[in-house]
Amino acid sequence: AQSVAQPEDQVNVAEGNPLTVKCTYSVSGNPYLFWYVQYPNRGLQFLLKYITGDNLVKGSYGFEAEFNKSQTSFHLKKPSALVSDSALYFCAVSLTLNFNKFYFGSGTKLNVKP
Amino acid sequence: DVKVTQSSRYLVKRTGEKVFLECVQDMDHENMFWYRQDPGLGLRLIYFSYDVKMKEKGDIPEGYSVSREKKERFSLILESASTNQTSMYLCASSLMGDEKLFFGSGTQLSVL
Repeated sequence: AQSVAQPEDQVNVAEGNPLTVKCTYSVSGNPYLFWYVQYPNRGLQFLLKYITGDNLVKGSYGFEAEFNKSQTSFHLKKPSALVSDSALYFCAVSLTLNFNKFYFGSGTKLNVKP
Repeated sequence: DVKVTQSSRYLVKRTGEKVFLECVQDMDHENMFWYRQDPGLGLRLIYFSYDVKMKEKGDIPEGYSVSREKKERFSLILESASTNQTSMYLCASSLMGDEKLFFGSGTQLSVL
């Protein structure tokens, strides 16, 4: 069975500090990996993707993520957190280039404190 | 900008009622999706559609059906609502072969 794990329900970080939101996956075949962010009372918004190529990908709002095939991970990072980054973050994987089926993690709530 | 609009932000229904959740997108996307979002479970796919009148079951289709009579509109139907269908329902759309999903703001459905 395909699965995506976000081991932390919540991550707390002080403004200005680096942040990491963890994601690991267990799938058969080559994964195409994504991060989405959900602000309160809003739908999910696309942040970044890994399809192929450089393992370090950069996305919106200064976020980046590193694809690590040996550890089957795709952790989301940002060098300096902002209070406005506080939101719910979802990792997702697609197994096909049709991108018509995604498996989502359970979500991680990021709290950035001033 | 792509806009995915869900007709209701909050909905309260009684057990046994037939419930319609509507979703409209304005960017001529071929793919449309219905997910439900539950705390600790993330998003789970109920149904998706890749063309008018075409649909495929997702991971949790039981108790739901869908309708896509026009390209821009994708409806989720709860034939007989039950309390375990209380959830946040999210609609999404995408271009065929494109990896980026565009989501609506969600409908919080409570079944009493």
